[in-house]
Amino acid sequence: AQKVTQAQTEISVVEKEDVTLDCVYETRDTTYYLFWYKQPPSGELVFLIRRNSFDEQNEISGRYSWNFQKSTSSFNFTITASQVVDSAVYFCALSISGGYQKVTFGTGTKLQVIP
Amino acid sequence: NAGVTQTPKFRVLKTGQSMTLLCAQDMNHEYMYWYRQDPGMGLRLIHYSVGEGTTAKGEVPDGYNVSRLKKQNFLLGLESAAPSQTSVYFCASSYGPHDLMPGEAFFGQGTRLTVV
Repeated sequence: AQKVTQAQTEISVVEKEDVTLDCVYETRDTTYYLFWYKQPPSGELVFLIRRNSFDEQNEISGRYSWNFQKSTSSFNFTITASQVVDSAVYFCALSISGGYQKVTFGTGTKLQVIP
Repeated sequence: NAGVTQTPKFRVLKTGQSMTLLCAQDMNHEYMYWYRQDPGMGLRLIHYSVGEGTTAKGEVPDGYNVSRLKKQNFLLGLESAAPSQTSVYFCASSYGPHDLMPGEAFFGQGTRLTVV
């Protein structure tokens, strides 16, 4: 069975600070996919990124970056120069090959960016 | 392009009452899902559908039924609501059936259900 752990329940940072959200996963499958979703106060979940287990290359998208390390089973998410609009709950998720019926979500990290 | 639309957005039920949550998507997605979100537990899959006319159980199916009579709609029913079903319910859809590498899932804005 797979498991996703987001140990940080809530984080508060001051605007313009950098912040890293941790995600640790467990699976016995060699093929799997990792996701990050953002849930703003409006409620919907917004897809941010997907990585597959064969691609450990880190990714940067604007102020967002993701660090995937198979050696530590981690897929951490960093926001550089945080902004108030980044305030949300962020979910990390893991899927073995297949559709979303096989996705396991973490419990989420609530990020509050203080102006 | 509305994406995934859930109705209603809020509902209060008395124990034992029944209701149906409607999910509609306009992206021609094959796969649709119902999740529930509870504090400290992330999202848990209730039921899902891999195509029109098909449904399957997820992680927490008890007390719920679903139907997918039309490709664009996925209904979640509670026949006899219980306080334990107080939660936020999310519908989602994604491409398939050749979705061996799960791509982006699109989520609705959620339905906040309270059972008293």
